[in-house]
Amino acid sequence: DARVTQTPRHKVTEMGQEVTMRCQPILGHNTVFWYRQTMMQGLELLAYFRNRAPLDDSGMPKDRFSAEMPDATLATLKIQPSEPRDSAVYFCASGLLWTSGGYNEQFFGPGTRLTVL
Amino acid sequence: TQLLEQSPQFLSIQEGENLTVYCNSSSVFSSLQWYRQEPGEGPVLLVTVVTGGEVKKLKRLTFQFGDARKDSSLHITAAQPGDTGLYLCAGGLWGSYIPTFGRGTSLIVHP
Repeated sequence: DARVTQTPRHKVTEMGQEVTMRCQPILGHNTVFWYRQTMMQGLELLAYFRNRAPLDDSGMPKDRFSAEMPDATLATLKIQPSEPRDSAVYFCASGLLWTSGGYNEQFFGPGTRLTVL
Repeated sequence: TQLLEQSPQFLSIQEGENLTVYCNSSSVFSSLQWYRQEPGEGPVLLVTVVTGGEVKKLKRLTFQFGDARKDSSLHITAAQPGDTGLYLCAGGLWGSYIPTFGRGTSLIVHP
């Protein structure tokens, strides 16, 4: 049963520290998304990769956030330095882009719950 | 303002009742998806609708895509406690493969 995996599941850190979240997409999927979910804002798209190339990171604070896909089996989201307002659940999703239909079907990981003190 | 507006925001019902949740927009979408998210987990895809007027059924769940492709609804018949969760709709605008999510409808079904 193929699943998206994310590590760590929980992270508590202090303001100013670097945080790295990792995601292993489902083998064969050609798109990867990073989202942040909070009660106030709901699900916000942070970054979108297709075939490992970053296509959209307009939702990501560029001064402190960065997202990469060093290879097809790993996507990373890094926050440096972290701030209390970054506290949220971060989800990675991988999917298949159906160009004929013009949509992505996404499969989400379990999320990383980040708390910045 | 949200591109996709979901209503109601919260719904608390008794087991056996029927319910409908809505996903509306002023924009036209090439496709629309519904996800269910349980506490502590990521959203799980339920269905994708791509044709205006399309109706899809998944056991007790019925999904409809509006004729104008601007709205969708999810109807649950005889709700069960296992249906409890956050229901999210997500749409892809024409020419964009990036789905936009609504804020969700939080459903609680009491036994």
